[in-house]
Amino acid sequence: ELKVEQNPLFLSMQEGKNYTIYCNYSTTSDRLYWYRQDPGKSLESLFVLLSNGAVKQEGRLMASLDTKARLSTLHITAAVHDLSATYFCAVDRQNNDMRFGAGTRLTVKP
Amino acid sequence: KAGVTQTPRYLIKTRGQQVTLSCSPISGHRSVSWYQQTPGQGLQFLFEYFSETQRNKGNFPGRFSGRQFSNSRSEMNVSTLELGDSALYLCASSPRGSYRVGTGELFFGEGSRLTVL
Repeated sequence: ELKVEQNPLFLSMQEGKNYTIYCNYSTTSDRLYWYRQDPGKSLESLFVLLSNGAVKQEGRLMASLDTKARLSTLHITAAVHDLSATYFCAVDRQNNDMRFGAGTRLTVKP
Repeated sequence: KAGVTQTPRYLIKTRGQQVTLSCSPISGHRSVSWYQQTPGQGLQFLFEYFSETQRNKGNFPGRFSGRQFSNSRSEMNVSTLELGDSALYLCASSPRGSYRVGTGELFFGEGSRLTVL
């Protein structure tokens, strides 16, 4: 059974600092997704990683995928308060049966 | 382009009742999937429909069912509600027909928040 593990689950960081969220998964997959969820809101797609070595960047966020290690990372550079949210990684099985990690609740403090 | 629309947004039911939730996908998207989100279990896959056919089902009891209409709109039904069914139910649409076609990115609606008393 596919398992998706994120760590850390909770992350409190100061503005201006850098940090990385890790996403490990248990079975072979070359597709991984990152989503953001604000409190009480739905999920917003951030990155779609479709192959080994894929790297995507948007603003202060950068995601990468290593399919051999079954690992994706979401790197935050010079965090700002607006990045406070819960971040989920998800691994694609098929027929849109995505398995999500537990989420990382990020709080950026001034 | 309008996003995924879910109705109702909030509802309160009592144990034993049933509930029907509705989802209108993004125009042109033929795949609709449903997820349950709770603080304890996180996001869990319920089922996915494509062209009115259920293609995949998660590990939920038979009280959870769904269907998809010819216009791709989808409904899910939960019968004999239990307290543990209180959750945010999220619908997501995708243009993808087959695995490996397209990015597989899901577009989520705002969700229907169900409270069971």
